[in-house]
Amino acid sequence: EAGVAQSPRYKIIEKRQSVAFWCNPISGHATLYWYQQILGQGPKLLIQFQNNGVVDDSQLPKDRFSAERLKGVDSTLKIQPAKLEDSAVYLCASSPTLSGNTIYFGEGSWLTVV
Amino acid sequence: KQEVTQIPAALSVPEGENLVLNCSFTDSAIYNLQWFRQDPGKGLTSLLLIQSSQREQTSGRLNASLDKSSGRSTLYIAASQPGDSATYLCAVTSNSGYALNFGKGTSLLVTP
Repeated sequence: EAGVAQSPRYKIIEKRQSVAFWCNPISGHATLYWYQQILGQGPKLLIQFQNNGVVDDSQLPKDRFSAERLKGVDSTLKIQPAKLEDSAVYLCASSPTLSGNTIYFGEGSWLTVV
Repeated sequence: KQEVTQIPAALSVPEGENLVLNCSFTDSAIYNLQWFRQDPGKGLTSLLLIQSSQREQTSGRLNASLDKSSGRSTLYIAASQPGDSATYLCAVTSNSGYALNFGKGTSLLVTP
């Protein structure tokens, strides 16, 4: 069974530029998450989808971050404009349902903003 | 707001030792608790999932316990090996929401 796929794996951009990350969850998983992990910290939830609907985006900086999951399968996370403090690993994860199940993570997209 | 704390932040042990990693959480109204492993440059791998009605889960040399009333969980690793070197993260799902709340992790180094 294929795991959670993310791309690109690494990205370096200048501040005020934009970047987009793509995620393809495990087939059949209804729930998709985007987490931000800053070096030395635990992951922090940015947004959670159930199929193509948003369940929780309370910690998403909506002035610069956006995410979509239009067809309820793959998802895109965009940052525009990027700030230095956005340097982090962006982890996508999926699970079969909202809760009670193991969550499977991708290997992450590493962003450096200079 | 749920706060998750992991102690110690870092741990170094010689190969073969048994060890315990600690996790505490402030809100005992949890749905489940998970322990993850993260290798450098990699994503997270789920090790054990404990539902709120359970007291412990075991997988191979790993045993995780949950004391919901006191807001604590421990991850016990038996007969540690150099391949166990990684960061171990504890995360809880609260009854009030579906997202995982993570601790900062314990960085484990097992020396040959």
